[in-house]
Amino acid sequence: EPEVTQTPSHQVTQMGQEVILRCVPISNHLYFYWYRQILGQKVEFLVSFYNNEISEKSEIFDDQFSVERPDGSNFTLKIRSTKLEDSAMYFCASSEIRPFAYGYTFGSGTRLTVV
Amino acid sequence: AQSVTQPDIHITVSEGASLELRCNYSYGATPYLFWYVQSPGQGLQLLLKYFSGDTLVQGIKGFEAEFKRSQSSFNLRKPSVHWSDAAEYFCAVSTYSGGGADGLTFGKGTHLIIQP
Repeated sequence: EPEVTQTPSHQVTQMGQEVILRCVPISNHLYFYWYRQILGQKVEFLVSFYNNEISEKSEIFDDQFSVERPDGSNFTLKIRSTKLEDSAMYFCASSEIRPFAYGYTFGSGTRLTVV
Repeated sequence: AQSVTQPDIHITVSEGASLELRCNYSYGATPYLFWYVQSPGQGLQLLLKYFSGDTLVQGIKGFEAEFKRSQSSFNLRKPSVHWSDAAEYFCAVSTYSGGGADGLTFGKGTHLIIQP
């Protein structure tokens, strides 16, 4: 069964450093998403991406965040200057069609720890 | 704004017993509702979804859920749980309104423990 692949599974970074979280969505999917889950809290929507541009973003997705689909297969989330409160599990998801009635396929997540 | 409430943080069930996980939502329009499961170290796997039509929906792994508009609920059920069902379960509602937004709003999750 096709999977959404996320790398790395764990990343530790120092506060103020830039991090790039990588995702390989399912090959024929067109809609891409990032979510995060702070430990003990709910999964939160960050951003959706379609046709090489952001289609929606949440209040969490401020100027320190950016997304990119650099080569037609990868989908990345960049955090420019990490803060302690960015420590969380970050999930990538993709969908072949608008997922509002179909759901997404999620990756296994990247656990980011900012120290 | 939409919200999802899962009132039970932890539930412990004996193997072979029945299960019901509660989910209540708040959303002004017709909701699109989902249940996801997360096993340790794994991503979120879609169990089932409600879009329209029959209010009792069947999912994978023997799960079902019933949409009750009058109670704003979408409870997940399974008649007989297996030890492999131990996981975190998330209820979610789609924010899609036809205007382009299609993110999911999740509940905080219910941690299911299966005892022998």
